[in-house]
Amino acid sequence: NAGVMQNPRHLVRRRGQEARLRCSPMKGHSHVYWYRQLPEEGLKFMVYLQKENIIDESGMPKERFSAEFPKEGPSILRIQQVVRGDSAAYFCASSPRAGGADQPQHFGDGTRLSIL
Amino acid sequence: DAKTTQPPSMDCAEGRAANLPCNHSTISGNEYVYWYRQIHSQGPQYIIHGLKNNETNEMASLIITEDRKSSTLILPHATLRDTAVYYCIVRVATGNQFYFGTGTSLTVIP
Repeated sequence: NAGVMQNPRHLVRRRGQEARLRCSPMKGHSHVYWYRQLPEEGLKFMVYLQKENIIDESGMPKERFSAEFPKEGPSILRIQQVVRGDSAAYFCASSPRAGGADQPQHFGDGTRLSIL
Repeated sequence: DAKTTQPPSMDCAEGRAANLPCNHSTISGNEYVYWYRQIHSQGPQYIIHGLKNNETNEMASLIITEDRKSSTLILPHATLRDTAVYYCIVRVATGNQFYFGTGTSLTVIP
């Protein structure tokens, strides 16, 4: 399967714990985007990364959330000290080059985070 | 990015064409129209996109009006597996993100 791979598919954490979500882009893609979807809502952009660089983090909450895309390995979205409101589906998308208007993003099937 | 307006829900009989409308009256000249769909518990799936001309691929056709203020996604022979939420999105040339609204929930009826 050459699609965007996200793991885990489901993640349960207790309040105050850390959540780490992983995303491997499609083969040949070097641009990664993270989105969050709350129940009954559309996807909301969080952050856009290239290898070793954060390009646009305008949708990231200012505290507790961070993202990285190292030179080797998957992109990681990290949520520290999780709270109930962090419960959502987190989707990763990738594209082969920088976002141009004629450039689709291809999405993974998401990680569903549940906070107890 | 330009705002889009879609009906919240639609039904379509299996085997018939599904025509999903989208209004984007404030679209700018450099903004593309994209369609994605999201089947329950899955990630958004890219369907098709276009700028001015009508487009067709193996999944669907996209019809854009001459003034570009509206478009229609056509699924020529809907199947039960086409039941999903369909998102119409307009995207500016320099944008890094897609703005997903609430879309149209399409139900294909046997």
